[in-house]
Amino acid sequence: AQTVTQSQPEMSVQEAETVTLSCTYDTSENNYYLFWYKQPPSRQMILVIRQEAYKQQNATENRFSVNFQKAAKSFSLKISDSQLGDTAMYFCAFHNNAGNMLTFGGGTRLMVKP
Amino acid sequence: GAGVSQSPRYKVAKRGQDVALRCDPISGHVSLFWYQQALGQGPEFLTYFQNEAQLDKSGLPSDRFFAERPEGSVSTLKIQRTQQEDSAVYLCASSLRRDSINQPQHFGDGTRLSIL
Repeated sequence: AQTVTQSQPEMSVQEAETVTLSCTYDTSENNYYLFWYKQPPSRQMILVIRQEAYKQQNATENRFSVNFQKAAKSFSLKISDSQLGDTAMYFCAFHNNAGNMLTFGGGTRLMVKP
Repeated sequence: GAGVSQSPRYKVAKRGQDVALRCDPISGHVSLFWYQQALGQGPEFLTYFQNEAQLDKSGLPSDRFFAERPEGSVSTLKIQRTQQEDSAVYLCASSLRRDSINQPQHFGDGTRLSIL
């Protein structure tokens, strides 16, 4: 079974600054996908970024980028130029080849301060 | 375009009552998932459908939980004889293809269930 750990229950950052959210996972698989989802108070889970394990290049989506360290089983999310609308819960999630579901971490609550 | 729609948005029930939660996936999406999210925690997998077939129900916490998707579109999650520990947000997600690993899951807004 896979496990996903987010060690930072809460984080805060000043508007326009950069913040990094941590995620580690445990798996014996070699090929899998990793995701970061954002969940604002409206509750809808919104996909932020995803990384395919067989790709060495780190994924980027505008202000969001990841630092994927496969050997260390680490998958952190960097948010640049933080905006007030980035305030939300952020969940790291794992999807392997064999399974059909996402395994989520416990989440990090991010607050962007004006 | 329309996203995943869940109803009701909020549901309050007395302990022992039966409840039914509805999910309308994105049109044409083959795969459908149910997750349970306790307060302050990440979602946990309950069950998975491919079209009308329930291929994985390993996450259902007890036999009081039952899910169906009879025509391969709308799905209903039913909880019988509700208990206080069933209080949570129930999220539904759908993805386009059978091979869901290559397709992101699109989530609904969830149903917040409170058992008194």
